[in-house]
Amino acid sequence: GNSVTQMEGPVTLSEEAFLTINCTYTATGYPSLFWYVQYPGEGLQLLLKATKADDKGSNKGFEATYRKETTSFHLEKGSVQVSDSAVYFCALSDSNTNAGKSTFGDGTTLTVKP
Amino acid sequence: ETGVTQTPRHLVMGMTNKKSLKCEQHLGHNAMYWYKQSAKKPLELMFVYNFKEQTENNSVPSRFSPECPNSSHLFLHLHTLQPEDSALYLCASSQASSRDYEQYFGPGTRLTVT
Repeated sequence: GNSVTQMEGPVTLSEEAFLTINCTYTATGYPSLFWYVQYPGEGLQLLLKATKADDKGSNKGFEATYRKETTSFHLEKGSVQVSDSAVYFCALSDSNTNAGKSTFGDGTTLTVKP
Repeated sequence: ETGVTQTPRHLVMGMTNKKSLKCEQHLGHNAMYWYKQSAKKPLELMFVYNFKEQTENNSVPSRFSPECPNSSHLFLHLHTLQPEDSALYLCASSQASSRDYEQYFGPGTRLTVT
């Protein structure tokens, strides 16, 4: 079956620090990969995605590269801000399962301090 | 604005009450989902509907009863709940025909069972 494993949190950083949240996956087919973000009191929203190997997704200064050889999709940002404090979820959608359905990681809580 | 709305945003109910959660999507999607998000636990997929047909029920207790009258509306009927059912209930929608499409989430209903 499909699975997503992401770095355990919580992660606490100072403003302007470099962020990496690791994500690895197991899938039976050729998945699309996603990072979602959940701000306090809100639902999840898409942060970025990549649909094939070597694609790089980017948004709001965040980046992640689809690495098929290492089955990874690590999230990075060069300089975090206090407003980036949130829970981050890695997810995949596989063509071999119900199309549109996603498998989510457990989430990583990020706190950025001024 | 995510295009997915949920009502009510907050609900407090006793264990003998009957209530319903409502979700509506304005995105033209054909798949809808209910998730449960409890504190310090992974996101739990409860039900999946594709083209108004239930395609997945992840061993959810019968005190949770979903209803999908059309592709734009999804309900979760609640009765005789337990305190451990207190959680954030998230609705999401997507295009069922493609793995490349992300899920769009509503803001959630914060449910407290007393």
